[in-house]
Amino acid sequence: DTGVSQDPRHKITKRGQNVTFRCDPISEHNRLYWYRQTLGQGPEFLTYFQNEAQLEKSRLLSDRFSAERPKGSFSTLEIQRTEQGDSAMYLCASSLVAGENEKLFFGSGTQLSVL
Amino acid sequence: RKEVEQDPGPFNVPEGATVAFNCTYSNSASQSFFWYRQDCRKEPKLLMSVYSSGNEDGRFTAQLNRASQYISLLIRDSKLSDSATYLCVVRNTGGFKTIFGAGTRLFVKA
Repeated sequence: DTGVSQDPRHKITKRGQNVTFRCDPISEHNRLYWYRQTLGQGPEFLTYFQNEAQLEKSRLLSDRFSAERPKGSFSTLEIQRTEQGDSAMYLCASSLVAGENEKLFFGSGTQLSVL
Repeated sequence: RKEVEQDPGPFNVPEGATVAFNCTYSNSASQSFFWYRQDCRKEPKLLMSVYSSGNEDGRFTAQLNRASQYISLLIRDSKLSDSATYLCVVRNTGGFKTIFGAGTRLFVKA
């Protein structure tokens, strides 16, 4: 399968713990996005990478959140000192075509539950 | 006000019906527009791009009205398999952020 893959699929953690998620984009894609989605809402933009450079971060991304894409391939999203409000589906997407017709391809997501 | 707004529905329609969804966006500088489909507990998938002149893909027709800042999706001859949430998506000029609406739920029943 050469689509976007995310790991783990599910994560249950206790409040205050740190968690890290991984995303492997489609291999030739140079753009990578992280989104967060809660029930009944659309995906909310968190951050974006062009190759290894993090070019934009949402105001939603508090200091407890950090994302990296060290070699311009896979990316990690870390949440420190998790809170119950962090419970959500974390989606990664990648794209190749720049400009008006950029199309995002999503992974299956990581479902985070903070107890 | 949200940047992209959609009627959450649900729309309950019988098979074979025609159904239309609208979406409004607040940023007049928005550049690109899309409809994505999301099945329950699955990731969003691109359904179609929306072009200024309007475009069609089989039973699906998308239209854009820049003056009124809305996008529409028309589904003809609805199938049971069309049951999903339809997400309106906008990409703004000068940035890389792609903004999703909250989605419109569609249920097609036999």
